[in-house]
Amino acid sequence: NAGVTQTPKFRVLKTGQSMTLLCAQDMNHEYMYWYRQDPGMGLRLIHYSVGEGTTAKGEVPDGYNVSRLKKQNFLLGLESAAPSQTSVYFCASSKIPGFQETQYFGPGTRLLVL
Amino acid sequence: RKEVEQDPGPFNVPEGATVAFNCTYSNSASQSFFWYRQDCRKEPKLLMSVYSSGNEDGRFTAQLNRASQYISLLIRDSKLSDSATYLCVVYHTGGFKTIFGAGTRLFVKA
Repeated sequence: NAGVTQTPKFRVLKTGQSMTLLCAQDMNHEYMYWYRQDPGMGLRLIHYSVGEGTTAKGEVPDGYNVSRLKKQNFLLGLESAAPSQTSVYFCASSKIPGFQETQYFGPGTRLLVL
Repeated sequence: RKEVEQDPGPFNVPEGATVAFNCTYSNSASQSFFWYRQDCRKEPKLLMSVYSSGNEDGRFTAQLNRASQYISLLIRDSKLSDSATYLCVVYHTGGFKTIFGAGTRLFVKA
């Protein structure tokens, strides 16, 4: 099993450009998440999905959109990139969260917006 | 005030030392607690869950104090391979929120 994979691993964008980050998991997990991690701050939830075809906003959703057309894939889109979106983006997945929730993370995507 | 706060570190300890990290959380409705480990430029990985009665996994011991709203992680007999950032994670069902602390960095030196 590959677990959680992310594409691309690194990307440089110019302000105003758009891009899509792809996350895929092969663990048949219902829940998937997109986080961003910035220096000195914990991971912050951007959007999440509780199942195929459903998405919801997290803590910092502005400037991002997501889609979950297939259970195993969760896409994060930046329509018009801004320097403030320079960050490391992690995708994660988990079983339906209950009392004990373990999240499995992908290797991350490093995004630099100039 | 952050919902989850951790010792900022870094902690620099020699091999074989015992080191403890603390984490406080502000939401009394928090239900589940975890410690994750994150190596440099890698993804976070679950180290251990934290149970109300406290739990141990080899050299690692986690404690939860609900009354004071803090969690601790104790690492005994530190190894060079323990060098990493340790993330305190709190989950509460209201509003579906998993809150990550900013992490405490640990350096174990020979």
